[in-house]
Amino acid sequence: DQQVKQNSPSLSVQEGRISILNCDYTNSMFDYFLWYKKYPAEGPTFLISISSIKDKNEDGRFTVFLNKSAKHLSLHIVPSQPGDSAVYFCAAVSNTGNQFYFGTGTSLTVIP
Amino acid sequence: EPEVTQTPSHQVTQMGQEVILRCVPISNHLYFYWYRQILGQKVEFLVSFYNNEISEKSEIFDDQFSVERPDGSNFTLKIRSTKLEDSAMYFCASSELGRSGGIQETQYFGPGTRLLVL
Repeated sequence: DQQVKQNSPSLSVQEGRISILNCDYTNSMFDYFLWYKKYPAEGPTFLISISSIKDKNEDGRFTVFLNKSAKHLSLHIVPSQPGDSAVYFCAAVSNTGNQFYFGTGTSLTVIP
Repeated sequence: EPEVTQTPSHQVTQMGQEVILRCVPISNHLYFYWYRQILGQKVEFLVSFYNNEISEKSEIFDDQFSVERPDGSNFTLKIRSTKLEDSAMYFCASSELGRSGGIQETQYFGPGTRLLVL
């Protein structure tokens, strides 16, 4: 039951360039979306979120875009830094509960 | 900065044994959660807990699982009779509120407990 999908298991980007991580979802009841970053042997760390009433949210180098009609969201990191190398998970929440549905993650490597 | 803590960091147990995973949520948070991640798979929701009772649970959270808030700071996950397939990383999370004014509160995750069932 893959309600949240991250189709790219890995991504490599040169330092200073833009990283774009993508996420698709199937459940039209999802109304809140988050991106988490995870280093090995650590728990997911919250990065940025977006409500379905918006189509963009920006926080420093991180911007999340939401396309509700396509059921697609993306995380842009610009400029990418080596410290951004981690696994990035997108998560979605239904308007009926608090349960987070996670994607399978995208491993980002930023090459110095 | 306040953080969610979990103990132990690693636990090895024999199949059929009971395990208790412990979490200390962020102190002013009212909602608590357990998730798990089997190696190579996605993070999966197990249960949410509010006001001393389960508010949501997934199909994974069967009768072998239970949660408890035994005091004002700890939040525990008990697996009564562990199975091989319970081997996973277990994450505790907490949020200040659940959903407030249409906004979903961010959940903050602990570092996880890696459980290995032999």
